[in-house]
Amino acid sequence: QSALTQPASVSGSPGQSITISCTGTSSDVGSYNLVSWYQQHPGKAPKLMIYEGSERPSGVSSRFSGSKSGNTASLMISGLQAEDEADYYCCSYAGSTSWVFGGGTKLTVL
Amino acid sequence: EVQLVESGGGLVQPGRSLRLSCAASGFSFDDYAMHWVRQAPGKGLEWVSGVSWNSGDIGYADSVKGRFTISRDNAKNSLYLQMNSLRAEDTALYYCAKCRDGSMVGAPDYWGQGTLVTVSS
Repeated sequence: QSALTQPASVSGSPGQSITISCTGTSSDVGSYNLVSWYQQHPGKAPKLMIYEGSERPSGVSSRFSGSKSGNTASLMISGLQAEDEADYYCCSYAGSTSWVFGGGTKLTVL
Repeated sequence: EVQLVESGGGLVQPGRSLRLSCAASGFSFDDYAMHWVRQAPGKGLEWVSGVSWNSGDIGYADSVKGRFTISRDNAKNSLYLQMNSLRAEDTALYYCAKCRDGSMVGAPDYWGQGTLVTVSS
């Protein structure tokens, strides 16, 4: 159960697009289409942004999208807005009734 | 509206026990799997444990296996985490989270506000 690997930080200017990567192994990200992404603002509970790799829950902006290639999943945010500044975590089912999170990425909107 | 309210956290000495509770409302609790996820101060999220809708499937992170026990009471719409042999590294905010479906392959979608556990002498 090793944590998934995310960049510690990414940044972008308003209106730009950014991508956050999430690298796992063939035992987790690579084996299942069950990667989810969470947004967490300081002092707040995480919010589900993407599930099953690319599905958006009701109410989540279409500016957020997800994809996967091999053992790496990605979260894309287009048209960056100030309120997107937050920590982002990926999470994957890892088999045998277990889940694993990434270390988190701090997004700064310049 | 989905509501998850955690309780039971506090300051506890190393080696002692604590039981966390999560009261659920606003959805059919017995239809959904549930998870516990923790976040150490200033750190990232760590999955702790999960249980399917009928307790038929249960899983634990290696870091808590053998020390923590998850359970649920569908009649009381409640989730529990019994934590024994607590260590300093268990200090964290513990979140209760509802899954998207009844099995443990469903992603956590709604989260409570958390209850803080501090393990220190």
